[in-house]
Amino acid sequence: GQQLNQSPQSMFIQEGEDVSMNCTSSSIFNTWLWYKQDPGEGPVLLIALYKAGELTSNGRLTAQFGITRKDSFLNISASIPSDVGIYFCAGQLNSNYQLIWGAGTKLIIKP
Amino acid sequence: DAGITQSPRHKVTETGTPVTLRCHQTENHRYMYWYRQDPGHGLRLIHYSYGVKDTDKGEVSDGYSVSRSKTEDFLLTLESATSSQTSVYFCAIAAGLVYEQYFGPGTRLTVT
Repeated sequence: GQQLNQSPQSMFIQEGEDVSMNCTSSSIFNTWLWYKQDPGEGPVLLIALYKAGELTSNGRLTAQFGITRKDSFLNISASIPSDVGIYFCAGQLNSNYQLIWGAGTKLIIKP
Repeated sequence: DAGITQSPRHKVTETGTPVTLRCHQTENHRYMYWYRQDPGHGLRLIHYSYGVKDTDKGEVSDGYSVSRSKTEDFLLTLESATSSQTSVYFCAIAAGLVYEQYFGPGTRLTVT
């Protein structure tokens, strides 16, 4: 089936550092969504992007819908301990209300 | 809070037994989804529903069936559970006007 390549797979960061992760595909997407999942919980929607080139912020999080519509980026500024978790990208490819999911980026804060 | 509950939250069952997981929503959203989440595989769609009695298969539907007799409830059934179905199962809903999905808390199923 369709694939989203999400990278990096995991990241070790120091508190206060900025974080970047991205998702790419060979297919053109109409919507990009970014989720965060904490241990033992369901994914929570962080940011939704609907237009190519769109740049949207949610607090310290900023996400962009790539101009080619084949990629999206999520940046976290000045990371804090509660940012740890798994971040997923998801893309909507056609009109059947299904999403294609990346495998996730695990964010770990160095002690 | 998207008003989604899942039951049970944890279940241990034996191979070959039937299992039904329930997803309940309080906001009358049209679309409901069942995913499974396993290490290294992210979220994989099992089945989804686009209305009462309207369902379709997802990426990993073999061994699973679903039913939706009311807008608020979406049931996932494992007719004869196997160890490969040990997983965390998430239900999600979408309003249908946009593609954003909202997730329930998950059910951890262990098949021994």
